[in-house]
Amino acid sequence: SQQGEEDPQALSIQEGENATMNCSYKTSINNLQWYRQNSGRGLVHLILIRSNEREKHSGRLRVTLDTSKKSSSLLITASRAADTASYFCATVSLGNTGKLIFGQGTTLQVKP
Amino acid sequence: GAGVSQSPSNKVTEKGKDVELRCDPISGHTALYWYRQSLGQGLEFLIYFQGNSAPDKSGLPSDRFSAERTGGSVSTLTIQRTQQEDSAVYLCASGPQGLLTEAFFGQGTRLTVV
Repeated sequence: SQQGEEDPQALSIQEGENATMNCSYKTSINNLQWYRQNSGRGLVHLILIRSNEREKHSGRLRVTLDTSKKSSSLLITASRAADTASYFCATVSLGNTGKLIFGQGTTLQVKP
Repeated sequence: GAGVSQSPSNKVTEKGKDVELRCDPISGHTALYWYRQSLGQGLEFLIYFQGNSAPDKSGLPSDRFSAERTGGSVSTLTIQRTQQEDSAVYLCASGPQGLLTEAFFGQGTRLTVV
């Protein structure tokens, strides 16, 4: 079964706008990670946030984590056409240092 | 090599045949993962290795699927008596011990069973 559930499943915006994707999970976690996938092949790691962190930034990316609600959000500011991809959250459950479980993903389309 | 390498990149096989998919992780990475992704879907966890042992095989869909890892490095995922529903992209990832940091993915093997 999948741990994370992303919302929305699909998002279409204009270049320059911000894109927000949400992820909910079920069990207590050690960390939560966001990945991007282009063209249905390899995934690229974007950012990792640990359970004792509430917010992290990396360039145009901002990730928040609310462990009380078991949810996370990924914000991409000033989006570009090149940001068009699928975005996945993945969690490492507390006490399980190995298993990385992915959600179903959000497909983002940025129109030029 | 610099990244995770998977071979072949594409594989077409006839229903009922066995296939072997190979993953070369990043040197020094002790954790290795196999995932399956059907078209337009999320990643389905198959199996996880820590070194040569597999503490979690819970994702293997059936006893037709098996995986091994030798020398703490290369891993092979074997699918016996392939079925059409096995058609998917099979992704391998590796990471430092404990996976408390990021995972590095290969480009995957696209398996088509005809």
